[in-house]
Amino acid sequence: EVQLVESGGGLVQPGRSLKLSCAASGFTFSNYYMAWVRQAPTKGLEWVASITNSGGSTYYRDSVKGRFTISRDNAKSTLYLQMDSLRSEDTATYYCTRRGGYSGDWFAYWGQGTLVTVSS
Amino acid sequence: DIHMTQNSVSLSAFIGDKVTITCWASQDISRYLGWYQQKQGQSPKFLMYYASNLLSVVPSRFSGSGSGTENSLTITGIQPEDAATYFCQQCYSYLFTFGSGTKLEIK
Repeated sequence: EVQLVESGGGLVQPGRSLKLSCAASGFTFSNYYMAWVRQAPTKGLEWVASITNSGGSTYYRDSVKGRFTISRDNAKSTLYLQMDSLRSEDTATYYCTRRGGYSGDWFAYWGQGTLVTVSS
Repeated sequence: DIHMTQNSVSLSAFIGDKVTITCWASQDISRYLGWYQQKQGQSPKFLMYYASNLLSVVPSRFSGSGSGTENSLTITGIQPEDAATYFCQQCYSYLFTFGSGTKLEIK
């Protein structure tokens, strides 16, 4: 069974940093593209960043480019999101997602999410 | 970025009804359209890909259609457990975008 367990969320002041982790199990982690998707309170879904299975390529939405870094450790089956220079608009639940076994960039599996609150 | 628009913020239906949720893209996305279901307090669940390909674990009362810029999710014979918010998502462009969601209420 595919399991994705996020951790690292919490309350942080604007301008500070936070690093999220996602522990994956139940599949061969190194075979799959991974991504972070966020959801602000009572709002819709917003793709944040993606990384290829090898980690060789990464992609970001414009609003986080230069502030967030997605990375992975295939030996530890863990996905990361380093978030720097955080802003109030980054407040959201952050979901770790895995691409499906179907061609196309679908978010087939989701973790339970970790809440990040940016506030002074 | 490709902008995704869902026609309704919310819908109400009785058990057994048929409802259709429509999603428009700001440009042709050639059926690179997926649907997700999010129940209150839960993570989203992937339902469908390439506009009409239903995952095997999803009940057959769900179906999808569309092409170009317009796509639809139809639920035929609504059940109480279908109460949720439904989101569309395009992956035609690598700047993936979601619709704003349609909340389905069961009367």
